[in-house]
Amino acid sequence: DAGVTQSPTHLIKTRGQQVTLRCSPKSGHDTVSWYQQALGQGPQFIFQYYEEEERQRGNFPDRFSGHQFPNYSSELNVNALLLGDSALYLCASSPPSGGGETQYFGPGTRLLVL
Amino acid sequence: AQSVTQLDSHVSVSEGTPVLLRCNYSSSYSPSLFWYVQHPNKGLQLLLKYTSAATLVKGINGFEAEFKKSETSFHLTKPSAHMSDAAEYFCVVSDIPGTASKLTFGTGTRLQVTL
Repeated sequence: DAGVTQSPTHLIKTRGQQVTLRCSPKSGHDTVSWYQQALGQGPQFIFQYYEEEERQRGNFPDRFSGHQFPNYSSELNVNALLLGDSALYLCASSPPSGGGETQYFGPGTRLLVL
Repeated sequence: AQSVTQLDSHVSVSEGTPVLLRCNYSSSYSPSLFWYVQHPNKGLQLLLKYTSAATLVKGINGFEAEFKKSETSFHLTKPSAHMSDAAEYFCVVSDIPGTASKLTFGTGTRLQVTL
């Protein structure tokens, strides 16, 4: 049973560019959450997707957007990249309601903005 | 809003000695609390979780944590540290208990284990 997978593992972009990160949830999970972890800090919640809609959102600008597909996989898009967007981006999935509240994390995508 | 405070940014112990990583929480209702571990260049792994059942929670790799409502604490302990325990540990609170909602992380405690 594969866990949460993310691609790519590493990415280098320049300021002003746009980036798309991808996540496949753990088998049987239908909810996907995204977090940003800056160097030396704890992860910060970006947003959560359920039934192809954004269900919750953290304190991130509209440059951060997402999508969830019918197979529950998800994408995180960041437009107009800033140097401060350099971070580890983590995806987490969780099972259907009633199946538990634990979020299982992928290995992350490390984004460097130059 | 729910929040957690990890009282130590860095803890160093000798191999074979006890580990104590401290966490205090703030919540307007009975919270769901978690400890996650992050090894270098790895994702986050769940160590244990408290969801209003038994106050002493046992996790993986010999770790356990005790929920103390009177002290608003959820400290992580292990009787005997192993070199492989060296990692970053995060205390985490769930926004809405019982649901897979937003997680709020502490700032982390780096555990160093020496010979």
